Amino acid sequence: DAKTTQPPSMDCAEGRAANLPCNHSTISGNEYVYWYRQIHSQGPQYIIHGLKNNETNEMASLIITEDRKSSTLILPHATLRDTAVYYCIVRPNSGGSNYKLTFGKGTLLTVNP
Amino acid sequence: KAGVTQTPRYLIKTRGQQVTLSCSPISGHRSVSWYQQTPGQGLQFLFEYFSETQRNKGNFPGRFSGRQFSNSRSEMNVSTLELGDSALYLCASSQRGDTTEAFFGQGTRLTVV
Repeated sequence: DAKTTQPPSMDCAEGRAANLPCNHSTISGNEYVYWYRQIHSQGPQYIIHGLKNNETNEMASLIITEDRKSSTLILPHATLRDTAVYYCIVRPNSGGSNYKLTFGKGTLLTVNP
Repeated sequence: KAGVTQTPRYLIKTRGQQVTLSCSPISGHRSVSWYQQTPGQGLQFLFEYFSETQRNKGNFPGRFSGRQFSNSRSEMNVSTLELGDSALYLCASSQRGDTTEAFFGQGTRLTVV
């Protein structure tokens, strides 16, 4: 799986948009970008994933650059409950015999009142 | 529908003992993966089971083993416990194991004393 680089920490004011960047310059054509978050003392939670088009769901938006070497997760109106470690993961989404998520250090997002 | 259920939530064991952790996936999900999370190493993949077969294994010693039953429930076992095995053990379930998002349980907090 391609390696990802994320800032170790970020702050955001409550009610403002949180933009979390991720670099994945070695991403290959069949690899998707996945985002998960882990709130303290809980299991990771799936947020969103995409291949090359921008994606949006009820939790967040994912913007992938045209060259696919970086992406940004956007939480449009951050709340205190969004304080968590956010993981950007790049992996294939093809059928096959293995399923594995390789977690890096992630970004600790702290939403401040 | 019910989420991923892990039991027990907390466990204290003595060095040299063995321990068995249980994971019940979301109904209809056939893939179960296990992860270990420690402050030093972060989230690390242990193994993945699909339809009672281990399909992928992480870089852990043979003391770590697992199995999956016909109802997709999975157990992992750690024998001859070491202090370093103290960690949060997480399991994740998905439908096919390779093309869908993983849903994680709350984890089992194991403390080895």
